[in-house]
Amino acid sequence: GAVVSQHPSWVICKSGTSVKIECRSLDFQATTMFWYRQFPKQSLMLMATSNEGSKATYEQGVEKDKFLINHASLTLSTLTVTSAHPEDSSFYICSAKAGTGGVWGYTFGSGTRLTVV
Amino acid sequence: AQTVTQSQPEMSVQEAETVTLSCTYDTSESNYYLFWYKQPPSRQMILVIRQEAYKQQNATENRFSVNFQKAAKSFSLKISDSQLGDTAMYFCAFMNTGTASKLTFGTGTRLQVTL
Repeated sequence: GAVVSQHPSWVICKSGTSVKIECRSLDFQATTMFWYRQFPKQSLMLMATSNEGSKATYEQGVEKDKFLINHASLTLSTLTVTSAHPEDSSFYICSAKAGTGGVWGYTFGSGTRLTVV
Repeated sequence: AQTVTQSQPEMSVQEAETVTLSCTYDTSESNYYLFWYKQPPSRQMILVIRQEAYKQQNATENRFSVNFQKAAKSFSLKISDSQLGDTAMYFCAFMNTGTASKLTFGTGTRLQVTL
């Protein structure tokens, strides 16, 4: 089945530094990927939609200069948290739509736990 | 904007019993998709079941089935013969076919399966 690989699975960084999270579709091409943020015991909140070869579409309230998204190829999307602060600590998950026609679904990465100290 | 509501923050069921998780949604669209996702302690999101709004027949996947009531905008998940491995957060999600395929998630229901 379709697999989305997300790395790193966890990262600790110092306040003010930047962190890059990668999301790769291993056995399919993902023209669109989605980035979510999840706080403890809460639901997934969509941050942005990443489109291959074009600018990402950000949800209202998400700072695009802080959360940089790059989707340079059909199999790789990256989320960079710039000048990270403790309030950016969260669980970040990527997702991609896999399959065509009547057989498809959304496949999720395993998530990245970011802790900013 | 679409909204998805899960009114049960937590539920508990004994092993081998049946449990039903509730989900309601709000939309003005006539064609859309509904999903149930499971998030175990590993936090990996796993698709449980999917329903197309234009299909009247309720979707079924082994022990998992849905009760889709389009007029009432209700989409409940029934888990039969509950197993310890079913312990997880369950999220109901909505996708409008007319938009950029975005999923809107409910707040989730934490299900605990006990011996």
